[in-house]
Amino acid sequence: VQLVQSGAEVKKPGASVKVSCTASGYTFTNYYIHWVRQAPGQGLEWMGIIIPSGGSTTYAQRLKGRVTLTRDTSATTVYMELSSLRSEDTAVYYCARDRGGDENIFDYWGQGTLVTVSS
Amino acid sequence: DIVMTQTPLSLPVTPGEPASISCKSSQSLLDSGDGNTYLDWYLQKPGQSPQLLVYSLSYRASGVPDRFTGSGSGTDFTLKISRVEAEDVGVYYCMQRIDFPLTFGPGTRVEIK
Repeated sequence: VQLVQSGAEVKKPGASVKVSCTASGYTFTNYYIHWVRQAPGQGLEWMGIIIPSGGSTTYAQRLKGRVTLTRDTSATTVYMELSSLRSEDTAVYYCARDRGGDENIFDYWGQGTLVTVSS
Repeated sequence: DIVMTQTPLSLPVTPGEPASISCKSSQSLLDSGDGNTYLDWYLQKPGQSPQLLVYSLSYRASGVPDRFTGSGSGTDFTLKISRVEAEDVGVYYCMQRIDFPLTFGPGTRVEIK
């Protein structure tokens, strides 16, 4: 099982960023994917979940309206797009696989993608 | 949202000695319907992504040594390391998953004395 994320991004305030997470080593549509972020020197914040089979999503309320999770089943890839970026969105963004169905247990994680928001 | 707190936030440890981390939740993490307690522990080693240690209060993840033990009930939880090894350094997070949004504790940094 591997989750490989796209590379680091630098964005200006107000812009959007789209981070990819490409899965391999298992049946992509059988496992949900979560996104978690970590601001520099800070703790972990859950952002949302997507069900790859049907595309259904659930988002953290505080990010609702700014975060969008999508997937491309043919590419076994999940995308996290965050809009209206602010300096507080500077963080490492992780995708993580849900161990089983909707258990919300993260058994595999991507390597993380640093998104820097700076003017 | 369910608020998770941890103590201590920093824990210097001596190799071979035990260590204990406390985690508290603002609401019970016991699901009376299925009897499960939805509390997990993750370890983030320096420079790495987090990794699952313990799930559902007390079940060790695959490959996790038996020196790690999760316990507790309701709103009070503990992760114990029976004999700390050098490879155990990092930040330990508790996480609740009884309700969305999933929330983490602030983390406990374990370092070797």
